[in-house]
Amino acid sequence: SQQGEEDPQALSIQEGENATMNCSYKTSINNLQWYRQNSGRGLVHLILIRSNEREKHSGRLRVTLDTSKKSSSLLITASRAADTASYFCATDIRDTGRRALTFGSGTRLQVQP
Amino acid sequence: ETGVTQSPTHLIKTRGQQVTLRCSSQSGHNTVSWYQQALGQGPQFIFQYYREEENGRGNFPPRFSGLQFPNYSSELNVNALELDDSALYLCASSLRTGNFYNSPLHFGNGTRLTVT
Repeated sequence: SQQGEEDPQALSIQEGENATMNCSYKTSINNLQWYRQNSGRGLVHLILIRSNEREKHSGRLRVTLDTSKKSSSLLITASRAADTASYFCATDIRDTGRRALTFGSGTRLQVQP
Repeated sequence: ETGVTQSPTHLIKTRGQQVTLRCSSQSGHNTVSWYQQALGQGPQFIFQYYREEENGRGNFPPRFSGLQFPNYSSELNVNALELDDSALYLCASSLRTGNFYNSPLHFGNGTRLTVT
């Protein structure tokens, strides 16, 4: 079963606008990660936020984490057509020697030029 | 630095057949994980290999098996293929070291398997 669930499932915006995607999860985590996937290709890591962090920035990306609500958000500012992709959150539960990310179903972002 | 490479990129098999998918991990990475991604879904963890041994498995039946070689490359084998095995199979590598639990996974571009 998938722990993380993204919202919305699909998002269409104009270039220059901001895009916000949300992720909810069910169990305690060690960290939460966001990945991007262009159509039919591999996943590219965007940002990792640890369970004791509340906010993290990387370029045009801003991620927040609320462990009390078991939720996270990804904000992409000043979006570009090249940001068109699927975005996945993945939770990581620290388990001795094992790294098993649990992914949500993703948000499909379409940025119109 | 060489990224994660997977082969083949596409594969078509018939129900009941067996398939082997291959993965070369990123240079220096000693841990390999495999994920299955059905169309329109997020990836699901199959298993992880470290030091040539399976080191964690998701909710997949025994007909999904794997190997890791001394050079850290890996294979995913699926026996008795079923139609529902049609998916994108992703390999991810990481380095098991001090910051292992808070480092990202590096994914390959996957193998698209179609079972007819």
